[in-house]
Amino acid sequence: GQNIDQPTEMTATEGAIVQINCTYQTSGFNGLFWYQQHAGEAPTFLSYNVLDGLEEKGRFSSFLSRSKGYSYLLLKELQMKDSASYLCALDSGNTPLVFGKGTRLSVIA
Amino acid sequence: DTAVSQTPKYLVTQMGNDKSIKCEQNLGHDTMYWYKQDSKKFLKIMFSYNNKELIINETVPNRFSPKSPDKAHLNLHINSLELGDSAVYFCASSQGSGSGNTIYFGEGSWLTVV
Repeated sequence: GQNIDQPTEMTATEGAIVQINCTYQTSGFNGLFWYQQHAGEAPTFLSYNVLDGLEEKGRFSSFLSRSKGYSYLLLKELQMKDSASYLCALDSGNTPLVFGKGTRLSVIA
Repeated sequence: DTAVSQTPKYLVTQMGNDKSIKCEQNLGHDTMYWYKQDSKKFLKIMFSYNNKELIINETVPNRFSPKSPDKAHLNLHINSLELGDSAVYFCASSQGSGSGNTIYFGEGSWLTVV
């Protein structure tokens, strides 16, 4: 089976840095996706990590530790438009992505 | 030039009715999916099709019947709707069904059963 754990909600201040954690247990693992979902909209792809380490993409970075079953999404220079849910998803091979329940991030002034 | 499009976007219907949601992708992808997102925002796979063939059918009641006339379309028909079917249904597609394939979602269909 698979289990994914993320905090339900987080609040951060505009301009700050926030780290959203995701821990997982799974019998098969190929990689981990992060998606962003604004309220009332579809999830959109942010990043995909296969190897251990940090991958940076503009203001967003994603980290993976396969041995620890742990990933995080780092958002820098937060903007109001970053208020959204952030979903981590397990890529276990030839099965559809399994999503965590998402972390709802509120960015405040 | 919407990549994954689904209709209708909003649907309000009574218990016991039958309804369909249509989905089309113009990305040339081989794999299509239906995901359900409940009131707690939990996004869960329902079905997965690869080149029109069903490859994944999670524990979904058989009142839900997907149909893929070609690899660009995956429609969802729901019989005898129940209150618990109220949710957002997302159609999605990916290049293939193997590892590393990014899934692209449609805008969602908000189904409310009253």
